[in-house]
Parts: sequence; C-alpha cells; structure tokens
Amino acid sequence: ETGVTQTPRHLVMGMTNKKSLKCEQHLGHNAMYWYKQSAKKPLELMFVYSLEERVENNSVPSRFSPECPNSSHLFLHLHTLQPEDSALYLCASSQGQGELGYTFGSGTRLTVV
Amino acid sequence: AQSVTQLGSHVSVSEGALVLLRCNYSSSVPPYLFWYVQYPNQGLQLLLKYTTGATLVKGINGFEAEFKKSETSFHLTKPSAHMSDAAEYFCAVMANAGKSTFGDGTTLTVKP
Repeated sequence: ETGVTQTPRHLVMGMTNKKSLKCEQHLGHNAMYWYKQSAKKPLELMFVYSLEERVENNSVPSRFSPECPNSSHLFLHLHTLQPEDSALYLCASSQGQGELGYTFGSGTRLTVV
Repeated sequence: AQSVTQLGSHVSVSEGALVLLRCNYSSSVPPYLFWYVQYPNQGLQLLLKYTTGATLVKGINGFEAEFKKSETSFHLTKPSAHMSDAAEYFCAVMANAGKSTFGDGTTLTVKP
C-alpha cells in the first residue's frame, strides 16, 4: 500500500470517448501531480496542484483537463484523445514542495484506439 | 535550470555483484536529489534522498548513494545484487520548488 491509489488500473478508450482518471492520497499531503510515462521517453510532468490550486500546466493539450476538488483527490478528465496519448499516467503526492520526495500511485495504463 | 543525466540505459550484473548506477545533475542552486525504483506495472517508489547534511545517504533494500558536489554526481550503489533488484531506476533532482526533473531511467538486469 503506497498511500496513493489510482483507478482504474487499465483503460481502453476510443478517440471520441470521454473518461476520467482518479487519484486519491491517504497521506495528508498538500501537493499532487500528474505525470505521463511513455515508452522510450522520460517522465513528463503534466500538472501540479498545491493546496488545491493549479500551479503548473506544462503546455498540456486541452484534451487533458485536471481537477482537484480537495487536497486528497485529483482527477484527469480525458476527451477526444489521440493514439499517441497512450501511456502510463502516474499520480504523485508530496508534502510541502516535494523536498522529501514524492509518493507515487501504481498508475493507469491508458490505451487509445 | 536543472537537469539529470543517467549514464547507461541498461546495466547488467550477476547476482551477488556490486551494483553501480550513475547519475549526474546540473543545478544552479543546491539541489535535492532522489533515487526511485520502478517495478513492472507499478509506480515509482522512493529509494533514498539527499537534502542536506551527510553526503552518504542510505535507503531501503540495502541501497546507498553519495552526493559529490565537486563531481555533480549522485551515484547509486549496492554491495551485493539480488534477483529482486531487477527493475528500472530513476534519478531525480529538485532545485526549483515543487518540480522534480527525472532522468531517463536505467534498467537493471540481475543474472543468476
């Protein structure tokens, strides 16, 4: 049990579908992150939320829409995705600004068909 | 600006041999440094971290790393590899608040 839970673990969706990824942390952390991990590419930071406010958006296409309703929950809403969006999406949380490291969830393996 | 370079995308060792995974960083301010491990179909797990103080840091599973400012390095070592150490390892640097930059990862294979 890592303290960060992501659902679903696997998701297959068509390019016209709308789906959401969910992340929940049970650690009392005040910052949450979305990362994209693609084969043969480094980890890509997508979004950062600190105290429920979005503090970073790394030029992510608008077909990805994050939501952080409270400090324990983070969502990534997906719509009209492309096949190149297929990847492992990792959620992480940290206390403060991450000086003590991040705690990651197990990820959602997304396949866009 | 901050960046991380992991030398060697694949490292193979025999069981019981020394593990050495190399990481060099670039940072304009004193950095925080991390090593994470990722097993198949899992997220990343923090192995160890350097913040301030002692430059030799010990982590979980018998791993340790030494911060060498003069060499801008933070190499990960383990005296004796175990089959269960086979995984992907990521070095990360944090110099800008709230933003860690990760290396490309090193896949460790352990041969029986």
